[in-house]
Amino acid sequence: QVQLVQSGDEVKKPGASVKVSCKASGYTFNNYGLSWVRQAPGQGLEWMGWISIYNGQTNYAQTLQGRVTLTTDTSTSTVYMELRSLTSDDTAVYYCARAKRGLEFDYWGQGTLVTVSS
Amino acid sequence: SYELTQPPSVSVSPGHTASITCSGDKLGDNFAFWYQQRPGQPPVLVIFQNNKRPSGIPERFSGSKSGNTATLTISGTQAMDQADYYCQAWDSSTANYVFGAGTKVTVL
Repeated sequence: QVQLVQSGDEVKKPGASVKVSCKASGYTFNNYGLSWVRQAPGQGLEWMGWISIYNGQTNYAQTLQGRVTLTTDTSTSTVYMELRSLTSDDTAVYYCARAKRGLEFDYWGQGTLVTVSS
Repeated sequence: SYELTQPPSVSVSPGHTASITCSGDKLGDNFAFWYQQRPGQPPVLVIFQNNKRPSGIPERFSGSKSGNTATLTISGTQAMDQADYYCQAWDSSTANYVFGAGTKVTVL
């Protein structure tokens, strides 16, 4: 069965960076892309970006452009999301989700809580 | 920037029908997707490509779209359907996804 397993919760200081991983299994990794979505406490869903596993093409939310980078390691079927220059506004649960470009997010990871606090 | 507008909340009695709308200028040119999220859980896809239901999603969930407005309908609502619901669309002009702000469905 399709599974997306994310790395554990993180606590970071303002100004630092965080890198969250999402390991995929149960399907042909190259046939889909992966998106990242975050959710601040008590708030709605915010799309962050998408990466094609096939060719590494990326699309990023305009609000995060320049602070977020998505990368992939096909040897381990893992996608990474790095977010830099963290502030308290980046405190959120971060989710990865499987998707073909422009289409639905059909499977989601369990979520990773990133807390930014001095 | 592109926005999707949903009502903040909808209340429904058990067994009755709940309808959630999602409006956006470019929705007419793009698919609408709907997700259910229960507290402390990741979202679950309930409708894709306007009106298709994934395997395992009960038939009481249906979707439709007319012009720039998409609608999620829950027929014969059950207590377990109490959750937040988000619409989503792809904006091909910016290659960005957009989410609505979410609708809290309360089953009274």
